[in-house]
Parts: sequence; C-alpha cells; structure tokens
Amino acid sequence: RKEVEQDPGPFNVPEGATVAFNCTYSNSASQSFFWYRQDCRKEPKLLMSVYSSGNEDGRFTAQLNRASQYISLLIRDSKLSDSATYLCVVNDNDYKLSFGAGTTVTVRA
Amino acid sequence: SQTIHQWPATLVQPVGSPLSLECTVEGTSNPNLYWYRQAAGRGLQLLFYSVGIGQISSEVPQNLSASRPQDRQFILSSKKLLLSDSGFYLCAWSVGGVYGYTFGSGTRLTVV
Repeated sequence: RKEVEQDPGPFNVPEGATVAFNCTYSNSASQSFFWYRQDCRKEPKLLMSVYSSGNEDGRFTAQLNRASQYISLLIRDSKLSDSATYLCVVNDNDYKLSFGAGTTVTVRA
Repeated sequence: SQTIHQWPATLVQPVGSPLSLECTVEGTSNPNLYWYRQAAGRGLQLLFYSVGIGQISSEVPQNLSASRPQDRQFILSSKKLLLSDSGFYLCAWSVGGVYGYTFGSGTRLTVV
C-alpha cells in the first residue's frame, strides 16, 4: 500500500470554477502535512502547509482530517495559472517526507 | 536567505558512462540533504538522504551512489549508467521533515 495516495485526475475545469481533491495517508503518526505544486518539467514548490484546524491562503484552502487520515485542497476562482500537478506530502519521521504521485489540474479558458 | 544550487540542468550521457551530479546549499548549516528521481509521468522516488557529513542512507538499491564530502554539498554518482537511469533528478534540503523541503531546479538526465 502506498503511503500517500492521490487521485491522479486530470481535473479539467473552466476559469472561475472551484476544484477540490483529496489525498489519503497511511502513517497515523504523521505530524506534518503539505501541498506542493509542480509545473511541467520543473521542480516541486511548496504551496502551503496544512494545519489541524485547516488553513487558507488566498484562493487555496487546505483541510486535514486526522481521524480519517485524509487531506484536501480546494481552489476557488480557478485561474489559468493554477494549471499544474499538486502533490500531497506527509512526513514519515523527522527526516523524511512521503510524496503522493500528484493530482493534475488543467484550467481552461 | 537559503538557496540551493543544482547542476547541470540537462545532461545526455551514453550507456555505460559515469555520472556525477552536484548539489550545494547556501545560507544554512547542517541541513538534511536528499536526492530524488522522477521518471517521466511518475511520482518522486527518494534515492538517498543525508543528515550529516559522510552519513548516507540509501532508500533503493540500484546503480547509483551518493556522497556528502562537505556540510552543504551532496553528490550523486554512477560508475556505469543504464538506460533506466534516465529521469529528472532533484536535490532537496530541509532542517527536518516536519518543515518541508526546498528543491533545487533539477537535472534532466537522458541516457542513450
């Protein structure tokens, strides 16, 4: 079983739409959670950390459900520039993170 | 501020040739360092990580090796490349897994 599982998508949405997707993780001891964004042929970049109470950064909202071991990301008012692959990331321990394979989002005009 | 440098950006190497990829971090001390590989259309695979000079942990047995000769330098090597070594190689640093990683810009390796 993979440590972090994501729906690969793709999610094809029009500009201005809301898109949301989840990931699940297997390590119940994980304490840190992140969403990374990866553009085509580029390195992953930290989009946002995910906190227990849920958190928002502009049009992006992240939620954590520890009981069910899943993390969600919601993007409101989608822009063309939001087209990317979104990686769900969970810490294994103090040294290592586990990465999901990514969810691809394509925003169309 | 901290920066991570990785080079070269692209590399085309023949099968059987050696490989050396270098990664350096500036602006921090005693970082945790990581080498990842991403095959085309796939997720990130952790290859090696290091929590200090000379300390290397290997995650996947394979044709590659890593070394950390200095605190902020991490090197990925191979004596003889295979076709299956092609991919996007990413170096990353962190001060601990709970804080997330910062990635270098990557090296796209094609073995021909």
